[in-house]
Amino acid sequence: EAGVTQFPSHSVIEKGQTVTLRCDPISGHDNLYWYRRVMGKEIKFLLHFVKESKQDESGMPNNRFLAERTGGTYSTLKVQPAELEDSGVYFCASSQVSNTIYFGEGSWLTVV
Amino acid sequence: AQSVTQPDIHITVSEGASLELRCNYSYGATPYLFWYVQSPGQGLQLLLKYFSGDTLVQGIKGFEAEFKRSQSSFNLRKPSVHWSDAAEYFCAVGSPNDYKLSFGAGTTVTVRA
Repeated sequence: EAGVTQFPSHSVIEKGQTVTLRCDPISGHDNLYWYRRVMGKEIKFLLHFVKESKQDESGMPNNRFLAERTGGTYSTLKVQPAELEDSGVYFCASSQVSNTIYFGEGSWLTVV
Repeated sequence: AQSVTQPDIHITVSEGASLELRCNYSYGATPYLFWYVQSPGQGLQLLLKYFSGDTLVQGIKGFEAEFKRSQSSFNLRKPSVHWSDAAEYFCAVGSPNDYKLSFGAGTTVTVRA
């Protein structure tokens, strides 16, 4: 069974540009999450989808971040325009029930 | 609000020696507790989890953790460390009513030969 897959694994962009991260959850998982870890900080929750609906987006830092989950399958996280402080690792995770959450390998974003 | 403290930022241990990583949590009720590991260049892998029942839980890769309610702790242990255990370890807390996980800052483990 495939795990949570994320693309791209690494991305280097200039300040002001746009980046779109993609996440494919484990098949059959209704719950999809985005977390991120900026340099030297803790892993922080960004948002939670149940199927195609945003259940909780309390962790989204500002309106430069837009997450979507079309048809309740894969999800994208767009950062537009990117700022230097957005650099970090963006983790996607999925679960069928709340008590076991599986993470992907992360998308490493560097904004220069 | 729930929170997690991992007091040790970095631990160095000799191969074959025992390892214990500390985790303290703050949560009003019985929490869901997790340990994840991130090896270099890899994602977060779930080592083990505690929801209820037996307070000593076994995980993958020979790890175990013990939930101590009186100390609000969920320390991770391994009797004999292998070089492949060099990684960053994260303790996390969740709840039955909330899908969000709160993570500790992580503990980096270095294994010396």
